[in-house]
Amino acid sequence: GAVVSQHPSWVICKSGTSVKIECRSLDFQATTMFWYRQFPKQSLMLMATSNEGSKATYEQGVEKDKFLINHASLTLSTLTVTSAHPEDSSFYICSARDSKPGVYEQYFGPGTRLTVT
Amino acid sequence: AQTVTQSQPEMSVQEAETVTLSCTYDTSESDYYLFWYKQPPSRQMILVIRQEAYKQQNATENRFSVNFQKAAKSFSLKISDSQLGDAAMYFCAYFTGTASKLTFGTGTRLQVTL
Repeated sequence: GAVVSQHPSWVICKSGTSVKIECRSLDFQATTMFWYRQFPKQSLMLMATSNEGSKATYEQGVEKDKFLINHASLTLSTLTVTSAHPEDSSFYICSARDSKPGVYEQYFGPGTRLTVT
Repeated sequence: AQTVTQSQPEMSVQEAETVTLSCTYDTSESDYYLFWYKQPPSRQMILVIRQEAYKQQNATENRFSVNFQKAAKSFSLKISDSQLGDAAMYFCAYFTGTASKLTFGTGTRLQVTL
């Protein structure tokens, strides 16, 4: 089946530093990847959509300069949280859509727990 | 804008019994897809079942089936013979090629008791 990995699964960083989260599609190519944020006991909130080789599209209210997204290849997207603050602490989930025509399922990574101290 | 509503924040079912989770959505599109995702305590999102709007037949995957009522914009999930491993958050989601992204409901937490 389609597998999406995320690394790291858990990261602790100090306030003011930057942290990068990787998302990889392991057995399929993904033209489009998505980054979500999830607060405890809440639904997934879409932060941005990234397309391979082009700039990410950010949802309203998401600071693009704080959450840098790069989708450099068909199997890798990265989310960098710059100048992290405690309020950025959250669970971040990536998702990838298979590039095959007519396939609309999104496959999700296991998530990354970010704690900013 | 499309919206997805899950009106049951929590549900409980006894092991081996059947439970139905509700989902309604609002859209002006005629072609779209609907999904149910499961998020267990590990927080890994797992696709449970999907339904294409153009198909009248309700989707079924083993113990999981849906009741898709297109005119009513309703998409409920029925879990038969519930098992302890079914305990999780369940999210209903809508997708259309126009927006090209999933819209999630607020989720229903399912408890399975002995």
